[in-house]
Amino acid sequence: NFMLTQPHSVSGSPGKTVTISCTRSSGSFANYSVHWYQQRPGSAPTILIFFDDQRPSGVPDRFSGSIDSSSTSASLIISGLKTEDEAEYYCQSYNATTWVFGGGTHLTVL
Amino acid sequence: EVQLVASGGGLVNPGGSLTLSCAASGFTFSEYTMNWVRQAPGKGLEWVSSISSRSSYIFYSDSVKGRFTISRDNAENSVTLQMNSLRAEDTAMYYCVREEDFSGCGDFWGPGVLVTVSS
Repeated sequence: NFMLTQPHSVSGSPGKTVTISCTRSSGSFANYSVHWYQQRPGSAPTILIFFDDQRPSGVPDRFSGSIDSSSTSASLIISGLKTEDEAEYYCQSYNATTWVFGGGTHLTVL
Repeated sequence: EVQLVASGGGLVNPGGSLTLSCAASGFTFSEYTMNWVRQAPGKGLEWVSSISSRSSYIFYSDSVKGRFTISRDNAENSVTLQMNSLRAEDTAMYYCVREEDFSGCGDFWGPGVLVTVSS
């Protein structure tokens, strides 16, 4: 199986932009997409970005996703930071038989 | 409105068994793969098991293989996770998660149910 590595924490000021990275240890996001989830304290995760860069309806366009040219690293970009964005963010990918989650990144909005 | 309501959690002794159920509504249940994902207290997310829309494909994480069994009843719009030989490390919030068949994406998560394995 592969692993997904995220930074433990990131921070930013209101109105600024932060980027959360997610690196796949083996295999490629070209074959198996990456998805991003937001989890606020005490709540279940919700889908934020799916299939690398697609936003579900209702998710603000301040949230965007991308894959690098090697297709082994993904990024979640949050622009125009708001205090309500303070949460845990998880990347997730898969193969034919399993899902794998990154360890999660805690976003602090200072 | 899509709803996934899990039940059956609680406190169980190590070595014991527990059955989790997830009742689905608000969508065509028989067209979706269903997953269980767990989260130990203060920890990250861990995928546990999945069952495809017609139960043709069933997968488990290595950590639960041989101890947990997933099943579904499309007539009753429900998915079940039978958990045997429970260990302290199985203590977690268990989430029932919907997945469009073979998309690899959990597009809707239920609120979760807590399982505590302790003597």
